[in-house]
Amino acid sequence: KAGVTQTPRYLIKTRGQQVTLSCSPISGHRSVSWYQQTPGQGLQFLFEYFSETQRNKGNFPGRFSGRQFSNSRSEMNVSTLELGDSALYLCASSLDGTGGAGETQYFGPGTRLLVL
Amino acid sequence: AQSVTQLGSHVSVSEGALVLLRCNYSSSVPPYLFWYVQYPNQGLQLLLKYTTGATLVKGINGFEAEFKKSETSFHLTKPSAHMSDAAEYFCAVSEAGGFKTIFGAGTRLFVKA
Repeated sequence: KAGVTQTPRYLIKTRGQQVTLSCSPISGHRSVSWYQQTPGQGLQFLFEYFSETQRNKGNFPGRFSGRQFSNSRSEMNVSTLELGDSALYLCASSLDGTGGAGETQYFGPGTRLLVL
Repeated sequence: AQSVTQLGSHVSVSEGALVLLRCNYSSSVPPYLFWYVQYPNQGLQLLLKYTTGATLVKGINGFEAEFKKSETSFHLTKPSAHMSDAAEYFCAVSEAGGFKTIFGAGTRLFVKA
């Protein structure tokens, strides 16, 4: 079974631009979560989607948004990029995200975004 | 609110020595606890997890962790370090019914030859 894939793997943008990152979960997984990883803040939860609905949200400004499609693929968008948005963005998928049995999340390799 | 504290941002051991990475958590309900490993330029890989039942959990690559409720700890150990264990390790906690995982700041493990 193919793992979680993320595209693109690397991206360079300039301040003020917007960016869209894509995540394809493991086949059959319906929950997709996004995390931002930076040296200073570590891994921070952005949001989680299930059946095309955002179920959980972290403490990020409205410039960060996402969506999920009917095939469970997910995209996240960051508008009006700031230098501080430079980070590794990780996507994780799980079967249904209920956490009922300490459900395992499977992580993709991430998209490294550099904002200049 | 949940939180995770990993003691020591960097740990250095000699090859063959015991690996001990410390994690303490805070949770208002019985938690689910995880350890992940991250190699350079890669995503996170699950090492092991605790949900319910046996408090000593065995994972991949010879790692294990023990859930100690009284100490709110979930320390990760490996009897004998290998060079390939050099990586960053993250402890994480989540609660059932709402999928929001909180990660610790991470501990970078160095293994000396």
